[in-house]
Amino acid sequence: ETGVTQTPRHLVMGMTNKKSLKCEQHLGHNAMYWYKQSAKKPLELMFVYSLEERVENNSVPSRFSPECPNSSHLFLHLHTLQPEDSALYLCASSLQGHEQFFGPGTRLTVL
Amino acid sequence: RKEVEQDPGPFNVPEGATVAFNCTYSNSASQSFFWYRQDCRKEPKLLMSVYSSGNEDGRFTAQLNRASQYISLLIRDSKLSDSATYLCVVNRRSNFGNEKLTFGTGTRLTIIP
Repeated sequence: ETGVTQTPRHLVMGMTNKKSLKCEQHLGHNAMYWYKQSAKKPLELMFVYSLEERVENNSVPSRFSPECPNSSHLFLHLHTLQPEDSALYLCASSLQGHEQFFGPGTRLTVL
Repeated sequence: RKEVEQDPGPFNVPEGATVAFNCTYSNSASQSFFWYRQDCRKEPKLLMSVYSSGNEDGRFTAQLNRASQYISLLIRDSKLSDSATYLCVVNRRSNFGNEKLTFGTGTRLTIIP
């Protein structure tokens, strides 16, 4: 048990839907991250929040919108996604300068 | 050139054998290095950090060569439970001051009974 939880674990959505992914960490960390993992590709960093401020956005399309209301919670709001956005979305958290701990991921399928 | 390069494998190795993975990184400003393990359909988990002097954790030995920008992982007396994908991970401080991990594509290992 890593202390990082994600919901839902699986999500199927149409291209016109709006949905949100949720991540919660109970480790007292001060940084949170969203990653995308597609088949046969390395993990791609999408967003970084440090002390609840977004400090990095790796050229992610605007159809992905992150939100970090406090240091324990991170959301990824999704709207008008494309089939190629189907992937495993992983949340991670860390203390600055230390290793990252990952949640179990949300497996997203866009129809 | 990819920022972190690994041999994707797959490596199919008999139980009890020794197996070695290599990884190279392109950014000389990289500051810290890790091996993560990812089981099928699970999240990555930290296996071990990699230090310049080399470090060992049980059957696992990690080495770092900063001059060659090369990282290795050695697994001795391999067990069936070692079957997984091993991710080479490189960390550097971004322009914003936060830590930025860059992952390799992973090397898939299967231990054969």
